[in-house]
This record gives sequence, structure tokens and C-alpha cells, in this order.
Amino acid sequence: EAGVTQFPSHSVIEKGQTVTLRCDPISGHDNLYWYRRVMGKEIKFLLHFVKESKQDESGMPNNRFLAERTGGTYSTLKVQPAELEDSGVYFCASSRTGGAGLRETQYFGPGTRLLVL
Amino acid sequence: RKEVEQDPGPFNVPEGATVAFNCTYSNSASQSFFWYRQDCRKEPKLLMSVYSSGNEDGRFTAQLNRASQYISLLIRDSKLSDSATYLCVPVRGSQGNLIFGKGTKLSVKP
Repeated sequence: EAGVTQFPSHSVIEKGQTVTLRCDPISGHDNLYWYRRVMGKEIKFLLHFVKESKQDESGMPNNRFLAERTGGTYSTLKVQPAELEDSGVYFCASSRTGGAGLRETQYFGPGTRLLVL
Repeated sequence: RKEVEQDPGPFNVPEGATVAFNCTYSNSASQSFFWYRQDCRKEPKLLMSVYSSGNEDGRFTAQLNRASQYISLLIRDSKLSDSATYLCVPVRGSQGNLIFGKGTKLSVKP
């Protein structure tokens, strides 16, 4: 079974530019999560999709971040315009929905390392 | 107060040693708990789930004390390959969002 994949693995952009990150979850996983770790800090939750619907986007830092999951398969996270403080590692994770609606183990992708100059 | 508190370490131990990590969490609504390990510049990988009754997986034993909001991980007979950062991860309520601390760094030396 293929794991969670993310693209690109690295991105270096200038402040003010736009970047789009992509995540392909494990096949059959309805739940898709985005997390971020900025340098020196812990990994923080950004948002959660259940299929194509946003279940919780309470962790999104501001309206420069836009996440989509059209069709309930892969997801994109767009940052527009990027700022210096957006630099960090963006992780995607996916999980099944188990019995009684409980979310099961989250499997992480390798992350996208974003550097905004 | 941080949502997850862990001793950042590093814990430097010789091969074969037994090492214990502790963690406290502040979200009393958390129902599920995990230990993840993260190698340098890699993604977090699930090590084991943590159950109230305590559970063991080979050389690893996890314990949960809900009353004290305290989680522990014991590693016996440490291997060089155990060197990593260990993350204590409660789940936020029923939503499934993971709450991370900064983790505890373990370095196992020959």
C-alpha cells in the first residue's frame, strides 16, 4: 500500500509569491490533515478534511492560506502571498474513519519544506 | 501552560540501557494518545498507541494515567536505531487532530 505522498519536497520562493503544496493521502482514507512546523516550534494542526468537506480549519493562520480537496482525493494548500514567517515544514497526514466514527491512526507524508526569502 | 510538556533531552544512553520518557498533557478531553518517533528531517511515524491499561510492544511499554494527565514510554535494551525524537501525542477531543509537543530527543551510543 502506497503511503502519503507530498509534492514538492522542497520549495524556495520570494516573499509575495504564491506556492501550492499538494498531498495525496493513502487510498481509501477519508480523513486528511495538514500540519505545519516552523523552525524551533512544535508541529501544529492547520486543518482537517473529511472527504471533500472541511471538518475543522481552526488552525489556519490567516486568510492567505487556502486548502482544497475537490473530489475528496488529493488536497492542495495554497499560500498567497507568502510571507517570511510561512517558512517551515508542511506535513500532510491521512487516516481512515473507524467504528463509531472514531478516527484511526494518522499516517504522515514526508513533508514539504518551504522557505520564503 | 503548553498543551504537551516533555523533557526535551537529549537523553544520551549506551546500547542496552533502559530509558524512560514522561509527558504531561493539559487537554482533559483527549481520549486517544499515541507515541510517535521522528528521525532527523523526516516525518513523524507512529510508534504505538497508549491505552489506559498500559500496553507493551516488544521492547516498548506505554502507560497512561488519566487522573494525572500523564503518559510514559519505557524503552528496554536500547538499540542504536532507537535514536530519534519521541513525541507524546494526545488527540484533541473527538476531532482527531493531533496535539504535538517538541518531543524528547534520544541518542543511543555504542
